[in-house]
Amino acid sequence: QVQLQESGPGLVPPSETLSLTCTVSGDSIRSSDHYWAWVRQAPGKGLEYIGSVYFGGNTYYSPALKSRVSASVDTSKNQVSLELKSVTAADTAVYYCAAFLSGPYYFDYWGQGILVSVSS
Amino acid sequence: SYELSQARSVSVALGQTARILCGGDNIGTKNVHWYQQKPGRAPMLVMYSDSNRPSGVPERFSGSNSGNTATLTISRVQDEDEADYSCQVWASPTAIFFGGGTQLTVL
Repeated sequence: QVQLQESGPGLVPPSETLSLTCTVSGDSIRSSDHYWAWVRQAPGKGLEYIGSVYFGGNTYYSPALKSRVSASVDTSKNQVSLELKSVTAADTAVYYCAAFLSGPYYFDYWGQGILVSVSS
Repeated sequence: SYELSQARSVSVALGQTARILCGGDNIGTKNVHWYQQKPGRAPMLVMYSDSNRPSGVPERFSGSNSGNTATLTISRVQDEDEADYSCQVWASPTAIFFGGGTQLTVL
């Protein structure tokens, strides 16, 4: 059973960089067919795709966030990371780590999510 | 960009049938996936590729997709079905879209 666990600070000052880590268990990022993704949900709002990364190093970002976001994998720790630069209050959300397979492109695994508030 | 429209809320009596709609331009040509989300919990896949149920999802859940509307149907609605339901489509690895979600209330 694949499990995803997000970690990182729950509070980030405006204009700073939001950094999150997703630890994957039950599957090896190095050998998995999954893409490792980040999805967020602002309070009372719908889900928003941020971007994803594949083991081979390819990254894919939502055009809406592309200028500020960076995702990467650390195969030695079996972790996926997210950085979002120059955050504002609009970036306050629950951030989910999720995984999808090429082909059907649905998210079959989700982390529990982590609430990140942008505030001074 | 690709817009997916969902009603904010749907109410249905216990034991009746709920239909949750997801509208999009020619959505019938795309694979639509559905997620159930309960308060404070992560989304959970309940339907993939229009009409396929993942293992463990009750047979009461079914899906269809044609024209400009995809539909998630829940027959014989139970209390535990009360949740937010979101549709999702994939256009490219940089273009994955979600609907705004529909809150299902069981009366």
